[in-house]
Amino acid sequence: AQTVTQSQPEMSVQEAETVTLSCTYDTSESDYYLFWYKQPPSRQMILVIRQEAYKQQNATENRFSVNFQKAAKSFSLKISDSQLGDAAMYFCAYSHNYGQNFVFGPGTRLSVLP
Amino acid sequence: DGGITQSPKYLFRKEGQNVTLSCEQNLNHDAMYWYRQDPGQGLRLIYYSQIVNDFQKGDIAEGYSVSREKKESFPLTVTSAQKNPTAFYLCASSARATGYEQYFGPGTRLTVT
Repeated sequence: AQTVTQSQPEMSVQEAETVTLSCTYDTSESDYYLFWYKQPPSRQMILVIRQEAYKQQNATENRFSVNFQKAAKSFSLKISDSQLGDAAMYFCAYSHNYGQNFVFGPGTRLSVLP
Repeated sequence: DGGITQSPKYLFRKEGQNVTLSCEQNLNHDAMYWYRQDPGQGLRLIYYSQIVNDFQKGDIAEGYSVSREKKESFPLTVTSAQKNPTAFYLCASSARATGYEQYFGPGTRLTVT
């Protein structure tokens, strides 16, 4: 079975600085999708960024970018110019087959210090 | 606006009572999901449905039941058999054409006393 690991339960970053959240996963598949979701205090899950495994280019969305290392099965999220509104739980997720095997990691709580 | 709605936001029940949580989507998505989240924890899959009139158990289906009579609706019933029903419940949906990401509703906080 696929697993997703986030080894940093908590992280903190100074406002305007850059932070990287780690995620590793285990799969025997070659074609899959990876995601980062944000859950602010409102508890609404928000999709931050996604990556298709067949694409070598790392995905970016404004201040958010990923470092996807397929051979190492690593998928880290970099947040640049951190803002107070970035404070949230961040979940890494993996998806293979449609409607099945959507697996979430345990989450990393990010604090942004003013 | 397209999206997923869950109602109510907060729900209180007495122990021994069944309770149904609502989830509706107008995104025309085929698949829908129910997750449970406990304080400080990640998401655990309860049930999912890929198509109308079909659904599969997730990792923690015991004590829960679902139905999928319409594409737009995927209600979750928390039965009296569920030992620890107090939790935050999230509904999500996904569509074939959009690369498998899931979109979430705002959640329902269920408290059973």
